[in-house]
Amino acid sequence: QQQVKQSPQSLIVQKGGISIINCAYENTAFDYFPWYQQFPGKGPALLIAIRPDVSEKKEGRFTISFNKSAKQFSLHIMDSQPGDSATYFCAAIMPGGGTSYGKLTFGQGTILTVHP
Amino acid sequence: KAGVTQTPRYLIKTRGQQVTLSCSPISGHRSVSWYQQTPGQGLQFLFEYFSETQRNKGNFPGRFSGRQFSNSRSEMNVSTLELGDSALYLCASSYLGQQNGYTFGSGTRLTVV
Repeated sequence: QQQVKQSPQSLIVQKGGISIINCAYENTAFDYFPWYQQFPGKGPALLIAIRPDVSEKKEGRFTISFNKSAKQFSLHIMDSQPGDSATYFCAAIMPGGGTSYGKLTFGQGTILTVHP
Repeated sequence: KAGVTQTPRYLIKTRGQQVTLSCSPISGHRSVSWYQQTPGQGLQFLFEYFSETQRNKGNFPGRFSGRQFSNSRSEMNVSTLELGDSALYLCASSYLGQQNGYTFGSGTRLTVV
């Protein structure tokens, strides 16, 4: 019930293409869904986040689409660039308090490679 | 504004030894969470501290422990190291340890031989 499932494990995209990463969750108590980007040798960095009362959120080239009924959400990277090559993690967290303090539940990660 | 600082960056330890890792959060952040990152298990939550109190704990054995000091700096300790403890250990700080505002450090790479 605590899992977040992420796909694909790896993704290769040409420069200028669209990268799409999908996540699905089981626990409907989750109500905040961030995406993180991690470069080698660095910790994850927050990219964009969404709450389930919103179906889509866009920040620059990054868009989250959220389907509450299907318990799925996805990250779209438009006009993908070689500098976007990194590992991407979706995550979920429950409302504050109790067993949710500090606890992000992460997907398994997607290694994105953008070829020039 | 300084980020989250983790020390040391790399450690090599022998099975059976113990290790202490340190995390200095962003100034003003009172919550520190710890995560273990491995290729097989991904990012797994270890525990969270707020105002020197552990408020939440993940599913790790008792060999994994932590503490937080009055200046919000945190340490985690792993005793009786096993080969499977080899991982990248990340800490994340936030103001309240609730839903948003988590900033991760670059981690400590622990290798157990």
